[in-house]
Amino acid sequence: SQELEQSPQSLIVQEGKNLTINCTSSKTLYGLYWYKQKYGEGLIFLMMLQKGGEEKSHEKITAKLDEKKQQSSLHITASQPSHAGIYLCGADHRRAASKLTFGTGTRLQVTL
Amino acid sequence: NAGVTQTPKFQVLKTGQSMTLQCAQDMNHEYMSWYRQDPGMGLRLIHYSVGAGITDQGEVPNGYNVSRSTTEDFPLRLLSAAPSQTSVYFCASSYGGTPPTDTQYFGPGTRLTVL
Repeated sequence: SQELEQSPQSLIVQEGKNLTINCTSSKTLYGLYWYKQKYGEGLIFLMMLQKGGEEKSHEKITAKLDEKKQQSSLHITASQPSHAGIYLCGADHRRAASKLTFGTGTRLQVTL
Repeated sequence: NAGVTQTPKFQVLKTGQSMTLQCAQDMNHEYMSWYRQDPGMGLRLIHYSVGAGITDQGEVPNGYNVSRSTTEDFPLRLLSAAPSQTSVYFCASSYGGTPPTDTQYFGPGTRLTVL
């Protein structure tokens, strides 16, 4: 969707390196959701951000929502092969979690 | 809890055939949605429901019908399958509320090919 741009489209990193994925919205975000998808499988929820400036972490993954609530980043520290997959951001532009707008995804490969 | 379940996992149809993709959740969620995922286009919302008896169109509703007779089930019907409907279909559910305090939970997907 042009309302939500995700970058980069693909990423290849060496194991142990850090990486960042960005998600930029053309509209104010009432909620920003990060999911991970393994190839050929469903979406696994990672984190949800709702407040400007909010930051959440789980294990080696940190997600932030900027103060203006139009951009989010997902940062992985010391990447591992288990981090490989497709990362999707989903935007709530209408205060309705049932109607998310998704980015096109970032395909992450982690090499040994 | 089984979470969100979808059947079948794989399906091949011929152009013009009809079929129903099943979706069920056992989390007592009010909100349920159907998305399709195509290469390079991300997930796009087909139809959604905010409760039993209430459905509405999403971004790409043409060629699909839905109904919500119970809280648990939200089937997606393809009336006359077309090759453009070849895709991976995901069902999702959430508690709802305004603003939402919880995320959507996704099923494992149905991979549909229309020949």
